[in-house]
Amino acid sequence: AQSVTQLGSHVSVSEGALVLLRCNYSSSVPPYLFWYVQYPNQGLQLLLKYTSAATLVKGINGFEAEFKKSETSFHLTKPSAHMSDAAEYFCAVISGGTSYGKLTFGQGTILTVHP
Amino acid sequence: NAGVTQTPKFQVLKTGQSMTLQCAQDMNHNSMYWYRQDPGMGLRLIYYSASEGTTDKGEVPNGYNVSRLNKREFSLRLESAAPSQTSVYFCASSESRELTQPQHFGDGTRLSIL
Repeated sequence: AQSVTQLGSHVSVSEGALVLLRCNYSSSVPPYLFWYVQYPNQGLQLLLKYTSAATLVKGINGFEAEFKKSETSFHLTKPSAHMSDAAEYFCAVISGGTSYGKLTFGQGTILTVHP
Repeated sequence: NAGVTQTPKFQVLKTGQSMTLQCAQDMNHNSMYWYRQDPGMGLRLIYYSASEGTTDKGEVPNGYNVSRLNKREFSLRLESAAPSQTSVYFCASSESRELTQPQHFGDGTRLSIL
């Protein structure tokens, strides 16, 4: 069965510091992986997605994520945090070897950015 | 602005009452989804509709029914609300005709069952 685990329900960083949000997946076949962001009182927005074309994926707002098969990870990073990055972030996976199937979400990580 | 519109934004119900959550998209997308979001559990798929006239169960369909009224609209009905259905409900859409990741989400309906 496919699943995704986000390590750390809350992450706090200072403005200008590196953002690292961790996501590990379990899948017996190559997965399709996604990161979503949710701002307060809004729906989710797709940040980026991994579809096997390249292991380093660049998304919107300066975020990127690297697929590491050996570590079964898809961590989200941003070199320099902005106050506007404060939100909840969700990692998600579709397993089965194609981009079609049920999307399974992680539990979410709330990012707080301090001045 | 183009997107996914959900109504109402907030609702309080008593146990046993019924209610329909409305969702409409104006992007001519084929697939539409209903998710519920609970703290610490991410989003879970309730029902989806890959095309007009078809609906399928997701992972938590019990206690809910859906209707794909036309290509634009996909409603979620609670026939007899229970406190366990207190949640934030999101409608979403995607261009694909098959189950896949949603591209656009509505802003949610915050539902409390007393």
